[in-house]
Amino acid sequence: GAVVSQHPSWVICKSGTSVKIECRSLDFQATTMFWYRQFPKQSLMLMATSNEGSKATYEQGVEKDKFLINHASLTLSTLTVTSAHPEDSSFYICSARPTAEKLFFGSGTQLSVL
Amino acid sequence: GESVGLHLPTLSVQEGDNSIINCAYSNSASDYFIWYKQESGKGPQFIIDIRSNMDKRQGQRVTVLLNKTVKHLSLQIAATQPGDSAVYFCAETTGANSKLTFGKGITLSVRP
Repeated sequence: GAVVSQHPSWVICKSGTSVKIECRSLDFQATTMFWYRQFPKQSLMLMATSNEGSKATYEQGVEKDKFLINHASLTLSTLTVTSAHPEDSSFYICSARPTAEKLFFGSGTQLSVL
Repeated sequence: GESVGLHLPTLSVQEGDNSIINCAYSNSASDYFIWYKQESGKGPQFIIDIRSNMDKRQGQRVTVLLNKTVKHLSLQIAATQPGDSAVYFCAETTGANSKLTFGKGITLSVRP
């Protein structure tokens, strides 16, 4: 299957700092990437759709100023959690489609905010 | 609103037995379905997919069944192995490039 690389795998930061997570499609180009958030023992919740060359589309209830998304190239999307707080601690996962439907996921980033 | 849900939160099976994981969906417009496997601390891994114009699709040791009449999806795993232990999610979408909606997830535990 297609490869989606996500970095870092885990990060610990102090409250108030910002954290950037990278998502790369390694063997295909992706005009659209998706960012999900997952709390322990829960399902994946879509946060936003990242669109190459244009603004991201955020799901209802997701603060766009809190979760900054940049999709500057066809193989890279970044999610920046700004002024992180303990409640932002979660597992963040990106995904992308090499074809119209099939969605592949990165390995996820575990964020812990102290 | 529309939702995709699973009937059971956990499933425990004996190694070597067959596993059946069920999923109910409520969006009648959904036309593409995917099963994912997620191991602890990792991202979801694609297992198998099925389009709404099919009612069965087989892969290696896995089979997905779709019953559009009752909006039901199932994943069958033959000869379940310890490595199959994980959380399984069904997901649905209404078409190409549409966002994917995930079910709640079910934990499969394989007893040796």
